Amino acid sequence: DSGVTQTPKHLITATGQRVTLRCSPRSGDLSVYWYQQSLDQGLQFLIHYYNGEERAKGNILERFSAQQFPDLHSELNLSSLELGDSALYFCASSPGVTLNYGYTFGSGTRLTVV
Amino acid sequence: AQSVTQLDSQVPVFEEAPVELRCNYSSSVSVYLFWYVQYPNQGLQLLLKYLSGSTLVKGINGFEAEFNKSQTSFHLRKPSVHISDTAEYFCAVSDPGGYNKLIFGAGTRLAVHP
Repeated sequence: DSGVTQTPKHLITATGQRVTLRCSPRSGDLSVYWYQQSLDQGLQFLIHYYNGEERAKGNILERFSAQQFPDLHSELNLSSLELGDSALYFCASSPGVTLNYGYTFGSGTRLTVV
Repeated sequence: AQSVTQLDSQVPVFEEAPVELRCNYSSSVSVYLFWYVQYPNQGLQLLLKYLSGSTLVKGINGFEAEFNKSQTSFHLRKPSVHISDTAEYFCAVSDPGGYNKLIFGAGTRLAVHP
């Protein structure tokens, strides 16, 4: 157990729907990162939050949004889902804003859009 | 833009043989370098990292990596592999753009055969 908790583990939904993925960082970590892993694109950085504030944005679609709450858990919202959004979505956490410790990853949420 | 190239998509090897997984990166500035391992249906786990100092870095499970600045490489090695080392291995580099994020390579699938 890495200490980073992601729920749900699996999600199957239809095109056009909206889903919310949840992440609880490791105890004491203030940074949360979201990544999308797909066969054709590999691991793509989506967004980074530190202590409730957005710090960096990557290749995140406008249909996707995220936030980090005061208790430091984070949610990734995916709307108007398309078949191509099917992927593994990982959350990772780190203590601060530097990379000295690397990331600790959760076990991911596998999203299947049908 | 920063990029990470893992030169082999698949590496088959027999048990107890040595292995090297190759990683090259492009950057004109100092970066942090990481290797992660992903076992089937699991999240990514940190194997080792290079931040500064000694160019030979030792990690978990008997793995080590050598940072070569002139060749911009960070190859992962293990002198004797086990069946349990079968997994996907990812090289990652810190984004030199000032953002606290990791850029991942496409991954190398290590298959250890008896």
